[in-house]
Amino acid sequence: DAKTTQPTSMDCAEGRAANLPCNHSTISGNEYVYWYRQIHSQGPQYIIHGLKNNETNEMASLIITEDRKSSTLILPHATLRDTAVYYCIVRVANTGTASKLTFGTGTRLQVTL
Amino acid sequence: DTEVTQTPKHLVMGMTNKKSLKCEQHMGHRAMYWYKQKAKKPPELMFVYSYEKLSINESVPSRFSPECPNSSLLNLHLHALQPEDSALYLCASSLGGEDTQYFGPGTRLTVL
Repeated sequence: DAKTTQPTSMDCAEGRAANLPCNHSTISGNEYVYWYRQIHSQGPQYIIHGLKNNETNEMASLIITEDRKSSTLILPHATLRDTAVYYCIVRVANTGTASKLTFGTGTRLQVTL
Repeated sequence: DTEVTQTPKHLVMGMTNKKSLKCEQHMGHRAMYWYKQKAKKPPELMFVYSYEKLSINESVPSRFSPECPNSSLLNLHLHALQPEDSALYLCASSLGGEDTQYFGPGTRLTVL
């Protein structure tokens, strides 16, 4: 699976949009971009994933650049409860077999008042 | 519903003890996973079961023994662990092996 690069930490004011970048310059055509977050001492929570089109759900939006070498997770109105470590993961699909998630070090997002 | 449950939430054991961690899901998922997460580190895969058969073992020491008795249950049997095995043990499941994985809350294990 392709390696990802994320900033170590970011701050965001409550109520503002949080934009979390991820670089995956070696991504292959059959690799998806997944985002998970992990609030302290809890299990990782799935947020969103995409292949090449932008995606939106009730939690967040995922913007993938046209060349697919980077993406941005957007939390439109961050709250204190969004304080967590956010992991960007690139994962091969369509292999017909079970595969693992390879977590990087993630971005620690701190939402402040 | 995307709930994966894990019991116990916390476990303290000695190096000579035998204990088991339990994971359960009722979403009809056919792939189940064990991950290990050391403090301040990202989760790392230990085992994958697909259709109740072990499909991936990430070279985990034999003192960790997984078991998948049916499609809803996944156990991790622990024996003769070392203090460095203290970690958060996470279970996950997915509909198929390539689908989105959903994680449980984890079991915090301390080995004395």
